[in-house]
Amino acid sequence: DAKTTQPPSMDCAEGRAANLPCNHSTISGNEYVYWYRQIHSQGPQYIIHGLKNNETNEMASLIITEDRKSSTLILPHATLRDTAVYYCIVRVPNRDDKIIFGKGTRLHILP
Amino acid sequence: NAGVTQTPKFRILKIGQSMTLQCTQDMNHNYMYWYRQDPGMGLKLIYYSVGAGITDKGEVPNGYNVSRSTTEDFPLRLELAAPSQTSVYFCASSLSPGGSTEAFFGQGTRLTVV
Repeated sequence: DAKTTQPPSMDCAEGRAANLPCNHSTISGNEYVYWYRQIHSQGPQYIIHGLKNNETNEMASLIITEDRKSSTLILPHATLRDTAVYYCIVRVPNRDDKIIFGKGTRLHILP
Repeated sequence: NAGVTQTPKFRILKIGQSMTLQCTQDMNHNYMYWYRQDPGMGLKLIYYSVGAGITDKGEVPNGYNVSRSTTEDFPLRLELAAPSQTSVYFCASSLSPGGSTEAFFGQGTRLTVV
């Protein structure tokens, strides 16, 4: 079973920041948080990952709470092309063999 | 960069037929995965491999077989196609030695069994 909980859907106005939450209350000390997204019926695309520090790249920012039991993916200026299903996954890189996807959050960007 | 390549992109099979979905990656990744995604649903792991010669079952392995004779290739075999296997199949790879850990996905094979 997936180790994360995400809201099934969210709306965000175009141009605004999209904040997607993820609960991973049973995360262990060496598990990282990974985010992927799937646009329409394409293959999933990696976005970002982190352990405990906040991370930022050209696509998004990842904010992880101090107790690491939850995190938020931030798309700073959402566009219509960000409409997708976003998946939050916890795993230990270089050790966990399987990548198990939960149901994700369907993000609708509203024009 | 080719990344993860899946063939064919589309296929229609009759019940009871067999076929092999091909997947190849050129990133020297150790790990490879096969997922299926039914309409409106999430991805379910079918089989995965942590290296050449090593494979293991995922969440929904029944009706499928895999092999990993080389690092690059990870074919998925359907022996007796059933309508329940109508789905989109995604192959992925990850873990370059000493390098990145994110997974890269192919564009999928859309399979219909009639």
